[in-house]
Amino acid sequence: TQLLEQSPQFLSIQEGENLTVYCNSSSVFSSLQWYRQEPGEGPVLLVTVVTGGEVKKLKRLTFQFGDARKDSSLHITAAQPGDTGLYLCAGFEDEKLTFGTGTRLTIIP
Amino acid sequence: DTEVTQTPKHLVMGMTNKKSLKCEQHMGHRAMYWYKQKAKKPPELMFVYSYEKLSINESVPSRFSPECPNSSLLNLHLHALQPEDSALYLCASSDTPGQLYEQYFGPGTRLTVT
Repeated sequence: TQLLEQSPQFLSIQEGENLTVYCNSSSVFSSLQWYRQEPGEGPVLLVTVVTGGEVKKLKRLTFQFGDARKDSSLHITAAQPGDTGLYLCAGFEDEKLTFGTGTRLTIIP
Repeated sequence: DTEVTQTPKHLVMGMTNKKSLKCEQHMGHRAMYWYKQKAKKPPELMFVYSYEKLSINESVPSRFSPECPNSSLLNLHLHALQPEDSALYLCASSDTPGQLYEQYFGPGTRLTVT
């Protein structure tokens, strides 16, 4: 079973601060996705990274895929209350998407 | 239309009941999925349907029985469940089986087994 460990598990910061969430695995994935899930809803895709070393930016969010394709990070600049939610990385291999353990982010106004 | 709909939104059932969860998408997606999500945990894959055929069963107990009547519909039939089966059940779809595309998730059915 492929495991994706995320850290931190919980993060509560003030509006305007920066933060980084990490996603680590002992296995190699052909590609990795980041999702955000809000209460009462299903996860929504934020980004897909497929190449080792790849960096993608989505407004204030920066995603990086590790060179060995076993880890990834999500950096948020100037966090806003609307960023609050459960952030999930997910690795794709053998037709299946395996979700990470999740990071619950709370941005305090 | 990028919506995946699930009904019912909430379901309470006894351990001897039989019930069904329904999922529908009209995006022309040929891969559909069932996930189980326990409180404060990530979604866990249960079943994958590729071109309306069951392609992956993640060793799910037989009290959960999936069905794909056509390319737009996915059902999950429930029978003789246990209290530990209480969870949020998510349906998802994606464009092409076996290839990484965005998975579109429904809002889920929150199931409580009493």
